[in-house]
Amino acid sequence: EIVLTQSPGTLSLSPGERATLSCRASQRVSSNYLAWYQQKPGQAPRLLIYGASTRAAGTPGRFTGSGSGTDFTLTITRLEPEDFAVYYCQAGSFGQGTKVEIK
Amino acid sequence: QLQLQESGPGLLRPSETLSLSCTVSGGSIRTGNYYWGWVRQPPGKGLEWLATIDRTGRAYPKPSLQSRVAISIDTSRNKLSLSLRSVTATDTALYFCARRTETWYFDLWGRGILVTVSS
Repeated sequence: EIVLTQSPGTLSLSPGERATLSCRASQRVSSNYLAWYQQKPGQAPRLLIYGASTRAAGTPGRFTGSGSGTDFTLTITRLEPEDFAVYYCQAGSFGQGTKVEIK
Repeated sequence: QLQLQESGPGLLRPSETLSLSCTVSGGSIRTGNYYWGWVRQPPGKGLEWLATIDRTGRAYPKPSLQSRVAISIDTSRNKLSLSLRSVTATDTALYFCARRTETWYFDLWGRGILVTVSS
């Protein structure tokens, strides 16, 4: 089973700032199988990125997925108020999540 | 528009069996090359994949839960089911059903159902 480790656990930033979230896999993952989700309190996760870099329908352009092999990154270029949430990477199993909170 | 709705008991006693259903509406569960699965989230914690099944009924449970978890699909009723035996307090969680693509990501989710295990 692939283990995904996300860092940092919490990211404290201000609106307008850039967020960089990391997801490291315990073994090589095909880019086709790496996805990112956003989850807000009381809601189901929402698919943001699949295939490591393809935005899902409705995902704003400020969200960019990148990476390959064992290292993947989700970048939010300029944080909007609605972007403060928990983000999970997934490739079969899920990472433990990164919380992006308002500084 | 396809929608998923979980249903089942909200409260169980330790050692009981959890049985959840997920009804798919707005389209057929047989359409497309999709899989269907269950994911849970303990209060304040992260997401845990539990099991996946394809439309033919081939099941893929999480290895560490294989002895306790069962997943089934009823394509005639557009319904997905999950069974988890011998529950304990650590099984307390929000349980989601979701549609999974061939490349493993979940693109459609139900709203989730909270299950509490308590004596």
